[in-house]
Amino acid sequence: AQKITQTQPGMFVQEKEAVTLDCTYDTSDPSYGLFWYKQPSSGEMIFLIYQGSYDQQNATEGRYSLNFQKARKSANLVISASQLGDSAMYFCAMREGMEYGNKLVFGAGTILRVKS
Amino acid sequence: DAGVTQSPTHLIKTRGQQVTLRCSPKSGHDTVSWYQQALGQGPQFIFQYYEEEERQRGNFPDRFSGHQFPNYSSELNVNALLLGDSALYLCASSFDRGPIHEAFFGQGTRLTVV
Repeated sequence: AQKITQTQPGMFVQEKEAVTLDCTYDTSDPSYGLFWYKQPSSGEMIFLIYQGSYDQQNATEGRYSLNFQKARKSANLVISASQLGDSAMYFCAMREGMEYGNKLVFGAGTILRVKS
Repeated sequence: DAGVTQSPTHLIKTRGQQVTLRCSPKSGHDTVSWYQQALGQGPQFIFQYYEEEERQRGNFPDRFSGHQFPNYSSELNVNALLLGDSALYLCASSFDRGPIHEAFFGQGTRLTVV
């Protein structure tokens, strides 16, 4: 079964507008972490934001915020005031359990294109 | 402060050959994880090295092996290359006792098997 599902293969957004990238996850472990990464065409995975399963508040990092709905098992990324440089591939990922050795499981990604 | 560096950046190999990819972790990091990212897909976990030992392994055949050196750098070896091994190979480093969410990725090695 898919542990991370990103249902939007591609998204377009007008510059300066906000955009939401969807992510749903599946786990039976009460302790987990959710991540969003940006991957430009250069290939490097750039960490954007993290949400722990026990965190009470939604995570925010600058223009990025994570809309964490635990009961629905969703962790959507919201990018406010989109910029041309936001055009890239975006991946949602999950780490089950809090042991440091645990691997990241990634979704299939969403390509975001910002239009001027 | 150098981040995670991988070498080479691009590589072309023939089916059946062997390849070695290298990763130098970010300064202060002691754990290295390797991921394979096929075209159009998300990365898949291959294995993780800590204290020169393989700590966890994903669903990859034994043709994929690795090593971690005392300076924490790491190698990924793939034997008997198949066309399906063509992918971007990403290395991620972290500090075992650091924040759980901090993992830094390199720019990857693009391997093409012909």
